[in-house]
Amino acid sequence: SQQGEEDPQALSIQEGENATMNCSYKTSINNLQWYRQNSGRGLVHLILIRSNEREKHSGRLRVTLDTSKKSSSLLITASRAADTASYFCATDDYGGSQGNLIFGKGTKLSVKP
Amino acid sequence: GAGVSQSPRYKVAKRGQDVALRCDPISGHVSLFWYQQALGQGPEFLTYFQNEAQLDKSGLPSDRFFAERPEGSVSTLKIQRTQQEDSAVYLCATQKGGVWETQYFGPGTRLLVL
Repeated sequence: SQQGEEDPQALSIQEGENATMNCSYKTSINNLQWYRQNSGRGLVHLILIRSNEREKHSGRLRVTLDTSKKSSSLLITASRAADTASYFCATDDYGGSQGNLIFGKGTKLSVKP
Repeated sequence: GAGVSQSPRYKVAKRGQDVALRCDPISGHVSLFWYQQALGQGPEFLTYFQNEAQLDKSGLPSDRFFAERPEGSVSTLKIQRTQQEDSAVYLCATQKGGVWETQYFGPGTRLLVL
């Protein structure tokens, strides 16, 4: 079963615009990660935010985490056509000891040149 | 190596055939995970190794699925008597040390069972 749920399921924007994707999850977490997946390829790690952090930046990426609402958002600023991909949030299995990730269904982002 | 590698990248199998999928982890990474990703879905956990020990196999969907990592490095996921519902992308991920850290994913093996 999947814990996270990304919103929206699909997003289409013009190059240069900002893209915001949201993720909600159900149980307590140690950290939350965002991954990107290009068509037919593996997952590329973008950013990890720990449960005691509220905001994190990496280049054009900004991630926020609200543990009281069990939600996170990923903002991509000044989007490029190369940002076209599916984006997944993943949380750890807090109650478990193994650290396996629990993924949402993803947001499919399309950036038009 | 520079990253996690998986082979083959694509596999077409006839129903009932056995398949073996290989994962070469990043050198020195202790933890190794297998995930299954169905079309249009996020990856779902299958099994986890710490070195050569398989510590969690709770995600394996049936006893037709078997994974091993005999020397704590390369891992193989084997599926016996494949069924159409096994068609998916199988992803391997490795992690340097303990839990709660970044997992690095391979490109995946796309399995199609006809």
